[in-house]
Amino acid sequence: KAGVTQTPRYLIKTRGQQVTLSCSPISGHRSVSWYQQTPGQGLQFLFEYFSETQRNKGNFPGRFSGRQFSNSRSEMNVSTLELGDSALYLCASSLDTRNTGELFFGEGSRLTVL
Amino acid sequence: AQSVTQLGSHVSVSEGALVLLRCNYSSSVPPYLFWYVQYPNQGLQLLLKYTTGATLVKGINGFEAEFKKSETSFHLTKPSAHMSDAAEYFCAVSVRGNEKLTFGTGTRLTIIP
Repeated sequence: KAGVTQTPRYLIKTRGQQVTLSCSPISGHRSVSWYQQTPGQGLQFLFEYFSETQRNKGNFPGRFSGRQFSNSRSEMNVSTLELGDSALYLCASSLDTRNTGELFFGEGSRLTVL
Repeated sequence: AQSVTQLGSHVSVSEGALVLLRCNYSSSVPPYLFWYVQYPNQGLQLLLKYTTGATLVKGINGFEAEFKKSETSFHLTKPSAHMSDAAEYFCAVSVRGNEKLTFGTGTRLTIIP
């Protein structure tokens, strides 16, 4: 079956702009998590959604937000972009992480902020 | 709170040699432990996981890991390295009822021909 799909794969923005990233989970998966990966900070948890509800949130400023739709697809939004937001944003899906914690990752969206 | 420490940000081994990547965790409750691999410009792929039961876990591509509670370790091994094993490896921990994974800083594995 198809894996986790993230769009766009690459994008370039300038400081102050906003960006929306999209994630389509594996069919049947109801949990979607987002992670930020940077060389300096490594992999950091942003938030997790299950059945359209945010269940957990990492330690990121309010400029980072997300949502999940009834078909389990998810989007994350970053407003007022800063240079430090340049990163690989990874989406992961799971049947329900509360059972096993196992995540299936997409290939990521690489954001460059100029 | 959980945490993971991966010893060695870079590890080089010769093709055919033993691969050993070290991971120590900290958790106040029984953990779930994972090893993920990341190839360049790709997402993370699960190698293996420990949740409960047998402490020696076998994964894909010939990798295995042993959960040692007394040592709070979950080291990843492979008896014979292949060139295709060159990648970055991440150890991660979670606990039942908590949705997020806490990752280590990663170990970049280089295979010497």
